[in-house]
Amino acid sequence: EAGVVQSPRYKIIEKKQPVAFWCNPISGHNTLYWYRQNLGQGPELLIRYENEEAVDDSQLPKDRFSAERLKGVDSTLKIQPAELGDSAVYLCASSSPSGGFYGYTFGSGTRLTVV
Amino acid sequence: KQEVTQIPAALSVPEGENLVLNCSFTDSAIYNLQWFRQDPGKGLTSLLLIQSSQREQTSGRLNASLDKSSGRSTLYIAASQPGDSATYLCAVSVGAAGNKLTFGGGTRVLVKP
Repeated sequence: EAGVVQSPRYKIIEKKQPVAFWCNPISGHNTLYWYRQNLGQGPELLIRYENEEAVDDSQLPKDRFSAERLKGVDSTLKIQPAELGDSAVYLCASSSPSGGFYGYTFGSGTRLTVV
Repeated sequence: KQEVTQIPAALSVPEGENLVLNCSFTDSAIYNLQWFRQDPGKGLTSLLLIQSSQREQTSGRLNASLDKSSGRSTLYIAASQPGDSATYLCAVSVGAAGNKLTFGGGTRVLVKP
């Protein structure tokens, strides 16, 4: 099993530029999460999908962040325009059928640096 | 709102010493608690998962306990090795079907040879 796959691993962009991250969850996992982890802190949830529906996006800064999960499988997280404060590691995770029972599997993350 | 705290934030021990990492949470209505390891610049690797009905889980040199009533979990790592140097994160699963994960800030561990 490949696990949760994220790309790219690293991204350096100038402020005000757009950026996109991609995530392929574990096959059959209905629930997909995007987390942001600032340096020295624990991850914080940005958005949670159940299949293709975003069921919890209360922490997503909707003025510049967007996400989609087409066909309930792969997901893309976009930032436009990026700001210096967006520099962080963006982690994708998946679980099924209930994260409460089976736990979560995380990808390796995308480290974003905005200069 | 669930809050998860990990103390200490950093820990340095000589090789061979046992490690004790603490995690506390404010809301005892959890589905499970999971311990993760994170190496610098890497993602999270799941170490142990304790269901809310369990008191502890063991894997090799790792043992995690859970006391829901007091809102505490402890991760024990026996006979530490330099390869155990990493950041250890605990996270609790709450909400309907446990589909909401809240993390602590992590404990950064350094095991000196």
